[in-house]
Amino acid sequence: QVRLQESGPGLVKPSQTLSLTCTVSGDSISSGGYSWNWIRQLPGKGLEWIGYIYYSGGTYYNPSLQSRMTISLDTSDHQFSLRVTSVTAADTAIYYCALRGINSGFDHWGQGALVTVSS
Amino acid sequence: DIQMTQSPSTLPASVGDRVTITCRASQSVSVWLAWYQQKPGKAPRLLVDKATSLQSGVPSRFSGSGSGTEFTLTISSLQPDDFATYYCQQYHTYYTFGQGTKLEIK
Repeated sequence: QVRLQESGPGLVKPSQTLSLTCTVSGDSISSGGYSWNWIRQLPGKGLEWIGYIYYSGGTYYNPSLQSRMTISLDTSDHQFSLRVTSVTAADTAIYYCALRGINSGFDHWGQGALVTVSS
Repeated sequence: DIQMTQSPSTLPASVGDRVTITCRASQSVSVWLAWYQQKPGKAPRLLVDKATSLQSGVPSRFSGSGSGTEFTLTISSLQPDDFATYYCQQYHTYYTFGQGTKLEIK
């Protein structure tokens, strides 16, 4: 059973960089066919897909967010990460990491990490 | 961008009711449509993908239908554990979610 766990600071100052890590257990992060995703949920709002990285290292981002987002993969530590630059209060959200299998929905999720952007 | 629109936004219902949630896509997504259930403080849970495929462990009272631009999630006999918020999501072109339907106790 795959498990995902987000980690990172819960408070970030405006204009700084938000960094989150997702640690994967129970399966290889190098498994072919999977995409490793970041999704966020604004307070009291719906879900917004941020982007994903393949086991090969290829990345794809939500076009509306792409300019400030970077997803990277560390197979040796079984982790993938998200960096968001120049954050504002509008980036305050619960950030989830999630796994998508082949031709499926997001079938495994982390528990979520609340990140607040405030001075 | 493919926009996903759910209706209704809020659905009051009682235990035992049959309920249906609708999701419309701004353009065809074929069958690349998933449904999720989310409870307060929890991550979403995948219920259905490929429009009609029920995930392992999901009760059979849940069912998905549709293709193209119009989809439905039906709960045949509402149970107390089903009161939650439900989201549809397309994965035809990138990924976008509907705004959610809150299923609440009448």
